Amino acid sequence: SAVISQKPSRDICQRGTSLTIQCQVDSQVTMMFWYRQQPGQSLTLIATANQGSEATYESGFVIDKFPISRPNLTFSTLTVSNMSPEDSSIYLCSVEPQAEAFFGQGTRLTVV
Amino acid sequence: AQSVAQPEDQVNVAEGNPLTVKCTYSVSGNPYLFWYVQYPNRGLQFLLKYITGDNLVKGSYGFEAEFNKSQTSFHLKKPSALVSDSALYFCAVRAEYGNNRLAFGKGNQVVVIP
Repeated sequence: SAVISQKPSRDICQRGTSLTIQCQVDSQVTMMFWYRQQPGQSLTLIATANQGSEATYESGFVIDKFPISRPNLTFSTLTVSNMSPEDSSIYLCSVEPQAEAFFGQGTRLTVV
Repeated sequence: AQSVAQPEDQVNVAEGNPLTVKCTYSVSGNPYLFWYVQYPNRGLQFLLKYITGDNLVKGSYGFEAEFNKSQTSFHLKKPSALVSDSALYFCAVRAEYGNNRLAFGKGNQVVVIP
């Protein structure tokens, strides 16, 4: 298993600003994943972050809007840039040391 | 690409009664199947998985799930529901090979009535 610490747990932000979410894992992992969970909906993969290379983004997500850092094998950040109310969601980081995924507790973002 | 269907929006069950949350999947090749639970203001917690072996899989908190290949289903079950089981439940699938990204269902809200 893996223990993931994600922060902040929640934030209320003004539109046009940016928020950086941090994710710390208790063991070294090759890939870290960032998901978005919009209100009342399922999880959508934003991107996969590998240490030492650029993140791989899923269709509909771009680096300018969701820049990701992966400085080492236990840490990653996701920034939500130039926020609008449509960005209000829960953002989750995840790792897959085995077949199953383990998740952080999520960041509940509200953009006003 | 792989996909999951959770046909019900909400499952209501009386405390002490059996609980079933339905899941069907679509994937190329052999599936890896998972159930997760999400309590309010929390991340997803892993409940159980099917990779290979026995079709009946036992997991955390008394939950179990049965893999049915012919019906492409992986329904989650608990013999006797507790009020504390009230939460959002997600089924997920990935392919054994190829594009093995996790695909999640839309989730089912389970409400256990005291």
